[in-house]
Amino acid sequence: TQLLEQSPQFLSIQEGENLTVYCNSSSVFSSLQWYRQEPGEGPVLLVTVVTGGEVKKLKRLTFQFGDARKDSSLHITAAQPGDTGLYLCAGPETSGSRLTFGEGTQLTVNP
Amino acid sequence: GAVVSQHPSWVICKSGTSVKIECRSLDFQATTMFWYRQFPKQSLMLMATSNEGSKATYEQGVEKDKFLINHASLTLSTLTVTSAHPEDSSFYICSARGQVGQYFGPGTRLTVT
Repeated sequence: TQLLEQSPQFLSIQEGENLTVYCNSSSVFSSLQWYRQEPGEGPVLLVTVVTGGEVKKLKRLTFQFGDARKDSSLHITAAQPGDTGLYLCAGPETSGSRLTFGEGTQLTVNP
Repeated sequence: GAVVSQHPSWVICKSGTSVKIECRSLDFQATTMFWYRQFPKQSLMLMATSNEGSKATYEQGVEKDKFLINHASLTLSTLTVTSAHPEDSSFYICSARGQVGQYFGPGTRLTVT
């Protein structure tokens, strides 16, 4: 089984601060996805990274895929209360039949 | 992105009754559907994977006779929680995968009293 470890598990910061969430594995993934989930809703796909070393930007969010395709990071600049939510990384298992999820990072941005 | 719906969005039932949750892919055909369970502030736990027209594959520790899954068409899968008990109370999320990718439903909050 391919495992994804996310850190930190919980993060509470003030509006305007920067933060980084990490997603690490000892296994190689063909791609990794990042989702954000708000209470009472399903996860919403933010980005998919496919190429080793790839960097994608989504407004104040920057996603990076490690060169070896074993890890990824999500960096948020100048966090806002609207960024509050559960952030999940996920990657397809080698068999391709299902997604492996990280444990999630619960982010709270205080005004 | 593609749309996946779930119905109902929340349900309260009495212990011992059965509850059916529907998952539909609204604008694409889903060859595979996944059912997850999620506890507060935790990640998603895969319960089972179903392919249209065949029996679902359950994850270890998930009782197939308790959580009945039917994937009768390329746009509909159902999860029936039979003889529900308070410990079955949780947030159930479906996900549908087709050629357009994999998308998640909005979830169903089940409370068993």
